[in-house]
Amino acid sequence: DTGVSQDPRHKITKRGQNVTFRCDPISEHNRLYWYRQTLGQGPEFLTYFQNEAQLEKSRLLSDRFSAERPKGSFSTLEIQRTEQGDSAMYLCASSARGVAYNEQFFGPGTRLTVL
Amino acid sequence: AQSVTQPDIHITVSEGASLELRCNYSYGATPYLFWYVQSPGQGLQLLLKYFSGDTLVQGIKGFEAEFKRSQSSFNLRKPSVHWSDAAEYFCAVGTTGTASKLTFGTGTRLQVTL
Repeated sequence: DTGVSQDPRHKITKRGQNVTFRCDPISEHNRLYWYRQTLGQGPEFLTYFQNEAQLEKSRLLSDRFSAERPKGSFSTLEIQRTEQGDSAMYLCASSARGVAYNEQFFGPGTRLTVL
Repeated sequence: AQSVTQPDIHITVSEGASLELRCNYSYGATPYLFWYVQSPGQGLQLLLKYFSGDTLVQGIKGFEAEFKRSQSSFNLRKPSVHWSDAAEYFCAVGTTGTASKLTFGTGTRLQVTL
């Protein structure tokens, strides 16, 4: 079990550029979450996948954001036409479906800086 | 909607002293409660969780937390803090239902003096 991995760990981009982040969940986990964490705040929920289906999106996820999880494995989060307000840490988490509430395991995050 | 309040933004304790970090939640149903720790440049690590049953839960690294329904609180405690405990601590409430998403507090930064 190698845990949740995210790539890249850091991304610096200019305003208006598109960026894409990748998350590889723990292999047997069928649930995958994206959160955003800004400086001095706790993580905020963005979106959730069960297998390949995107089942919930937060109002924080504007039209410039899109997430996919093809084949229910890794996931990508794309931000189009980045803005300075998009600068944040983007966290991915995964969990296994079960009877009880499922513990979410977090990756190290991707820190995005928009200049 | 659910919410979590961590009233203390920053706490400083001496190594070896006891620690209590406060967390208050708002949620209409029986809550699922968590404490996570985040070190600089690291992801979130789960310290402990409460689903049901015994209201005093034990976690990793010597941490414990007590669920008090009457006070809507889930405070984190440690009897003797180590310098390596310096980090950011987040309390979170999990929703029931399909998504089981987490709602986090704003965090408490713990500084440990030697």
